[in-house]
Amino acid sequence: GEDVEQSLFLSVREGDSSVINCTYTDSSSTYLYWYKQEPGAGLQLLTYIFSNMDMKQDQRLTVLLNKKDKHLSLRIADTQTGDSAIYFCAEILSGGYNKLIFGAGTRLAVHP
Amino acid sequence: DSGVTQTPKHLITATGQRVTLRCSPRSGDLSVYWYQQSLDQGLQFLIQYYNGEERAKGNILERFSAQQFPDLHSELNLSSLELGDSALYFCASSVEAGELFFGEGSRLTVL
Repeated sequence: GEDVEQSLFLSVREGDSSVINCTYTDSSSTYLYWYKQEPGAGLQLLTYIFSNMDMKQDQRLTVLLNKKDKHLSLRIADTQTGDSAIYFCAEILSGGYNKLIFGAGTRLAVHP
Repeated sequence: DSGVTQTPKHLITATGQRVTLRCSPRSGDLSVYWYQQSLDQGLQFLIQYYNGEERAKGNILERFSAQQFPDLHSELNLSSLELGDSALYFCASSVEAGELFFGEGSRLTVL
């Protein structure tokens, strides 16, 4: 199937780390993506990782990829209230023309 | 600002009606994608166009259709609307397959 799965909610305290998890289906996906959707807005590309990498770090963001388990995670260090949003994991399905398939999104709530 | 413009931002209509949603992609982007976001179904891929031609199809109902015009703008037509079609419809454009730029969406409410 084409399911990308994520937990729906995560609540963290300001200043703590957030870890958002995702499992994907296509082992031949070349890139995996994290998008962020703030209230009332469209999705924005946050970061991505190439499938031959295990980890990618970009300032407060760390992406970990476990290809064996088809598991992707996004860690946000020192989480701030401005990080409150919905985070979507996405994979490109190969075969024919590529199409980007999103998970249902994880709603991150940051509280004081 | 992503550079992708969608109109209208909000639309309220009745069951059985037909609506057209419009999207102007970022300057230079040849690919346009349509997604439907609802509370119970998450973000569903509907259809993709590339330079005027349909490239990939997702979970798009037969009551829905889309096209991309020579100036690269795209329209999504929704007909015989049902209550369950109420959702946020996003358009996105891209140069590369995974790096999509999303518009702010068109919120459709069917009463």
